[in-house]
Amino acid sequence: GDSVTQMEGPVTLSEEAFLTINCTYTATGYPSLFWYVQYPGEGLQLLLKATKADDKGSNKGFEATYRKETTSFHLEKGSVQVSDSAVYFCALSDLGTGFQKLVFGTGTRLLVSP
Amino acid sequence: NAGVTQTPKFQVLKTGQSMTLQCAQDMNHEYMSWYRQDPGMGLRLIHYSVGAGITDQGEVPNGYNVSRSTTEDFPLRLLSAAPSQTSVYFCASKMGGTYNEQFFGPGTRLTVL
Repeated sequence: GDSVTQMEGPVTLSEEAFLTINCTYTATGYPSLFWYVQYPGEGLQLLLKATKADDKGSNKGFEATYRKETTSFHLEKGSVQVSDSAVYFCALSDLGTGFQKLVFGTGTRLLVSP
Repeated sequence: NAGVTQTPKFQVLKTGQSMTLQCAQDMNHEYMSWYRQDPGMGLRLIHYSVGAGITDQGEVPNGYNVSRSTTEDFPLRLLSAAPSQTSVYFCASKMGGTYNEQFFGPGTRLTVL
């Protein structure tokens, strides 16, 4: 079945450092890809998405490019802030069923220090 | 506009007890779903609904029941709680259509002793 693999955390960075969180996927069809963020004590929020190969999703300085040839969707940000500390989930959805069944990775915790 | 609300925020049960986790949304979304979040496993889909009166099983449905009598509400019932159901539960909703965003509630942390 479909699956998502994320790098294990925590990822610990200083403010203004460059961030990369790796995500690779396995899917039989042509899924849409998502990054969700979970701040402490809150539910998940959609951060960005890409619906087809070579699409780049971007939001709040974060970006990720749908790479079909490497089955990857790595999350990047050029300069992280303390407020970016959260857990980040990569997810895919095979839309063939019509209902957006999301398959999540295990999540990567990001800790940013001043 | 409150979005997706869940009650309670925290709950402790004894093995064998039953309870209902409440979920409501005020966005007139057609689709609603329940996920559980466990350490090292991400979120897994329990049940979902594509409209009032229509529900279906997700990846891990055993031990849980759902019903959807109104568009707004989608309660999750634990009939006989087990320690394996200790988890954080998230409800989500989205409009019908392929690319619309899913909105998640704040979660319910359940401990079964």
